[in-house]
Amino acid sequence: EDKVVQSPLSLVVHEGDTVTLNCSYEVTNFRSLLWYKQEKKAPTFLFMLTSSGIEKKSGRLSSILDKKELSSILNITATQTGDSAIYLCAPLSSNTGKLIFGQGTTLQVKP
Amino acid sequence: DVKVTQSSRYLVKRTGEKVFLECVQDMDHENMFWYRQDPGLGLRLIYFSYDVKMKEKGDIPEGYSVSREKKERFSLILESASTNQTSMYLCASSPPGLAAEQFFGPGTRLTVL
Repeated sequence: EDKVVQSPLSLVVHEGDTVTLNCSYEVTNFRSLLWYKQEKKAPTFLFMLTSSGIEKKSGRLSSILDKKELSSILNITATQTGDSAIYLCAPLSSNTGKLIFGQGTTLQVKP
Repeated sequence: DVKVTQSSRYLVKRTGEKVFLECVQDMDHENMFWYRQDPGLGLRLIYFSYDVKMKEKGDIPEGYSVSREKKERFSLILESASTNQTSMYLCASSPPGLAAEQFFGPGTRLTVL
């Protein structure tokens, strides 16, 4: 059975801190992995990772995939209160064509 | 700008009522999805559709049905709502292709009393 585990489940930091969010997966016929940020409402897309070892970057956020370790990390540097959200990891199986979502990591950034 | 809209942000229904949740996308996407989101469980796929009049069961289809009569609209139906269907319901759409990003609607928070 396909499985996705995110850690930590929740995290509280102060503005300016750097955080690393983890995602481990066991997915049949892995195709790619997506990261989403969810604030009060709809999840919004951050990154799609398909190749191992290639970092994707957007401002203070970056992410990398390790297919050997079946994992991905999402880094946020110099955190701001606006980074407070649930971060969702979702591997895609080419077997089923479905995204398999983890439970999410709830990040709270205090001023 | 990509847009997925859902008919209601908040909905309160009684046990046994028939409930319709509507989702409309304006991006001409082939794929549409319905998820429910519960604390500690993440997003779980209820049903999805790759084309008009086509539907596939997701991981938790029991107690739900769907309808896709037009490409832009995907409806989730609770035939007889129960309290354990109280949840946040999220609709998403994506273009064809397995590596495609899904775009989400704002969600409907359904409470069944």
